[in-house]
Amino acid sequence: NAGVTQTPKFQVLKTGQSMTLQCAQDMNHEYMSWYRQDPGMGLRLIHYSVGAGITDQGEVPNGYNVSRSTTEDFPLRLLSAAPSQTSVYFCASSYRGTWDTGELFFGEGSRLTVL
Amino acid sequence: AQSVTQLDSHVSVSEGTPVLLRCNYSSSYSPSLFWYVQHPNKGLQLLLKYTSAATLVKGINGFEAEFKKSETSFHLTKPSAHMSDAAEYFCVVSDRYSGGGADGLTFGKGTHLIIQP
Repeated sequence: NAGVTQTPKFQVLKTGQSMTLQCAQDMNHEYMSWYRQDPGMGLRLIHYSVGAGITDQGEVPNGYNVSRSTTEDFPLRLLSAAPSQTSVYFCASSYRGTWDTGELFFGEGSRLTVL
Repeated sequence: AQSVTQLDSHVSVSEGTPVLLRCNYSSSYSPSLFWYVQHPNKGLQLLLKYTSAATLVKGINGFEAEFKKSETSFHLTKPSAHMSDAAEYFCVVSDRYSGGGADGLTFGKGTHLIIQP
């Protein structure tokens, strides 16, 4: 059982480049989300989805785009990378929305550096 | 509005001594509370959760936490620290109706636990 799989684990971009961080889960979870983790800031929600075809913005959505065409996949797109987007990105999933006190399952993270 | 404060950014203890990681929260309603652990270069893993049942919650690896509504606290404890406990710990509040994050979650900034041999 793979759980939540993120790729790539490491990426270096130049300012202005675009890229997609991939996230896949094999637990048939309805809820998926993307967070960024910065030193001393905890985790901040970027975008989330409560099911295929449904996405919504989190706390820090600017510069990021998502789609949810299948239950399993929830890619995060950086449209035009900026140094402020240097961070560690985590994808998470849950059986139900977290307001149902469901447990979040996290991927191992994708470390992005923008030069 | 909902918030969570982890009172210590770093905690250092000797192996075999007790661990106390402090968390205070504010929430207008009855929240659910979680502690997650993050080992180096890994994702977050749920340690334990409080969801309005027993106020003393036991988790994995010998950790437990007590929900104290009067003190709005949810401190994490372990009787005897092990070297493998060295990690980052996050206190999380979940309350959809109290203005947390868009998904109802608010993460603390984390406490880095250091275990001295």
